[in-house]
This record gives sequence, C-alpha cells and structure tokens, in this order.
Amino acid sequence: EDQVTQSPEALRLQEGESSSLNCSYTVSGLRGLFWYRQDPGKGPEFLFTLYSAGEEKEKERLKATLTKKESFLHITAPKPEDSATYLCAVGVVMNTGFQKLVFGTGTRLLVSP
Amino acid sequence: DTEVTQTPKHLVMGMTNKKSLKCEQHMGHRAMYWYKQKAKKPPELMFVYSYEKLSINESVPSRFSPECPNSSLLNLHLHALQPEDSALYLCASSQDMDGSYEQYFGPGTRLTVT
Repeated sequence: EDQVTQSPEALRLQEGESSSLNCSYTVSGLRGLFWYRQDPGKGPEFLFTLYSAGEEKEKERLKATLTKKESFLHITAPKPEDSATYLCAVGVVMNTGFQKLVFGTGTRLLVSP
Repeated sequence: DTEVTQTPKHLVMGMTNKKSLKCEQHMGHRAMYWYKQKAKKPPELMFVYSYEKLSINESVPSRFSPECPNSSLLNLHLHALQPEDSALYLCASSQDMDGSYEQYFGPGTRLTVT
C-alpha cells in the first residue's frame, strides 16, 4: 500500500534556529514528490516539486531534497511568519491506471520570536 | 498566475438544504479536483475530472454530486448532508492528472452542516 509518513508531527523553534522536516514514502511508482505549506483555514500553497533522487530545490529560507526513500525540508534561520503546517505528497499510479496524490499527515511548525 | 478561486468562503446549511460550491481556474489546466479536509488532517481526495470527464470518484456518498460545466469551472452540489460532512472543501487544478504535475489549491470553502 502506498504510504507517506511525516515527522515530527509538531516542531517548535526559536527564530533563527534551523531545522529539518522529514517525509518518508513507500510507493509503487513515484511520479513526483511535492511540498506544500498550509496556514490555518486556508488551502495548501505549493512550494516545491522533486522528481529524482539527488534533486534539490530552494526558495528563500526553504530547501527541499530527495533521496530514494525520503525527502527533507530544511528551514534555515526561520522567522515567525514561517509558522504553518508543511504537507508532503507523492504522485502515484493507482491500480486503475489513474494517478493521484497521497498526502502525509503534515508537520505543524511554530517559530517563536 | 496560479490562482484557483472558490466561492463561497463560508457556508452554513441545514441537513435538508441544497447548496453548491463553485471553483474556477484560468491556467488552462485540464485536471480539476475536489478534496475534503478535516481539522488537523491532510486533504482527502473526493473527485477528479480530467478533460471535463469524471475520472476518479473515491467512493463518495451520493449526497455529494460533482459537475464540470467546462474546462475552467468545477461545481460540487450538496444535498441532504450530515453534520459529519462539516469540513473545509478544497478545489485544486493541475496541468494534467499525471501524478508528476503539481496541484494548485484554492482557498477553500468552510462548510458547516447544522
């Protein structure tokens, strides 16, 4: 069964304290791995797409990396406005031949001033 | 522009009401999605339309009825809902339903069933 697991469930950081979020996956056919940011009561905001092991993408204080079994979202010198839930999702091929996203349960990040 | 719009932002309805949620995108995307999201849970896929045809129905109860009038619009018709259907309903679109394309989400409709 296709599965995506994120850790930790919640993370509290001080402003400027760098850390990493983990997304591990077990899927039969990975088409792409996606990172989203979601603020409370709002829709997920697309951050990055990664396709192959060794690939890296950066945006401001965020950097996403991918291996064959997991992805990391590194947050460098976070600010309070980085507080949000970060969702990881993988694109998979279903047994019907159609494709969909499988989401992890997310990491809730709180950055204190 | 990567904007997906949804209306209304909030909706309160009784269990005997009929209402509709609307979604629109102008990115030329050929796949559109409805998701349901409960508090502190990830989005759950409900329906997928590809080239205006229903491609995936994740065993959603018939009180939810999707409609895709054209390539830019997606509706979700609601009838005889239950209180447990209260949730954030998200629309998304992607270039195609190939799992390699990112999905862009709208802001959601917060639905409360009384």
